[in-house]
Amino acid sequence: GESVGLHLPTLSVQEGDNSIINCAYSNSASDYFIWYKQESGKGPQFIIDIRSNMDKRQGQRVTVLLNKTVKHLSLQIAATQPGDSAVYFCAENMARGTSYGKLTFGQGTILTVHP
Amino acid sequence: DGGITQSPKYLFRKEGQNVTLSCEQNLNHDAMYWYRQDPGQGLRLIYYSQIVNDFQKGDIAEGYSVSREKKESFPLTVTSAQKNPTAFYLCASSPQGPILTDTQYFGPGTRLTVL
Repeated sequence: GESVGLHLPTLSVQEGDNSIINCAYSNSASDYFIWYKQESGKGPQFIIDIRSNMDKRQGQRVTVLLNKTVKHLSLQIAATQPGDSAVYFCAENMARGTSYGKLTFGQGTILTVHP
Repeated sequence: DGGITQSPKYLFRKEGQNVTLSCEQNLNHDAMYWYRQDPGQGLRLIYYSQIVNDFQKGDIAEGYSVSREKKESFPLTVTSAQKNPTAFYLCASSPQGPILTDTQYFGPGTRLTVL
């Protein structure tokens, strides 16, 4: 079946640096992507989303880039802070049949920010 | 946690017992979801419901049951048939469900441990 995966399971950065978290997806029919942040012992928190008709979307300190040619998604965090330390998941939504609303999640990347 | 509550936060169960996890939302969302998360892994869909009195199996429904008698509530029962129930259980809801760009928002989770 189709799946979403992450290139790197862990990422360590210094406070103030920019962070880039990557995600590869294999389903070319996926039309909608979401990034979530999950802190230890808590539920995932929505960060930013992007539709397949876009290649870039910016939020507050975060940018998501979508490259449909190589089926790659990335989350960029500017001026990373210790509070950004968490597990980051990408998720995809396939636009066909009964898959609407069903998200497929990647395994996650652990981001550690050192002061 | 966006108006989604889960209780209890921690739950202990003896082998052979059924246990019910609560999920309530006051966001007026139509769709609700249950996920299971194991250590170091992504989220896997157990059941989802797009409308009251209707629900569908997700990817790992065996050993679980749900009901959706009210829009606000989507309880999950972990039955004795679930062979490995120890996990972190996450409930989510989304505004419309069968819509491509329908973002899911998560509750704080319930950690179930089988003794």
